[in-house]
Amino acid sequence: GENVEQHPSTLSVQEGDSAVIKCTYSDSASNYFPWYKQELGKGPQLIIDIRSNVGEKKDQRIAVTLNKTAKHFSLHITETQPEDSAVYFCAASPPDSNYQLIWGAGTKLIIKP
Amino acid sequence: GAGVSQTPSNKVTEKGKYVELRCDPISGHTALYWYRQSLGQGPEFLIYFQGTGAADDSGLPNDRFFAVRPEGSVSTLKIQRTERGDSAVYLCASSLGGNQPQHFGDGTRLSIL
Repeated sequence: GENVEQHPSTLSVQEGDSAVIKCTYSDSASNYFPWYKQELGKGPQLIIDIRSNVGEKKDQRIAVTLNKTAKHFSLHITETQPEDSAVYFCAASPPDSNYQLIWGAGTKLIIKP
Repeated sequence: GAGVSQTPSNKVTEKGKYVELRCDPISGHTALYWYRQSLGQGPEFLIYFQGTGAADDSGLPNDRFFAVRPEGSVSTLKIQRTERGDSAVYLCASSLGGNQPQHFGDGTRLSIL
């Protein structure tokens, strides 16, 4: 079945700098890749997603890139702000059960003032 | 409210007891999901409803776990004879359809003493 690996587990960046989180997946047929932000005591919040027919998607300071050949996708956050501090999860949706999300282990993003 | 609502937010009970966790999805969302999240990990899929029926319950760990969605809206996750290993945050999500973005509630933190 599908397996998703996420790196790094912790990322500390200076406020205003960019942050990049990377995920790899194992099933080349997976076709949907969302990113979620989770703050302490809250549920995961969808921040951006991408489908396999697109290579890049942007929404203000957030972007996601997908490399289907290499089977990896990345989250890019520019001009980081203190409120970006949270745990970020990537996920992939396998084609044989496209409702099911297989999750990475999460990245704790720390924005240093 | 506009989002997914889960009650209670916290539940503490003794080993062996029965618990029910409730999820109110976003109005109009036909798909509903239950996940379980342990500390420091990504959510783990439990069950997926499309309308009133459980389309996939392959993630339920054993027969002590059961979920219903009798009218295609509110869902209840039921755990019998609770064990200390059941302690986790139980998350509910809903979406417009099975391959649509999932939106999460803030979860129920279940503690089994």
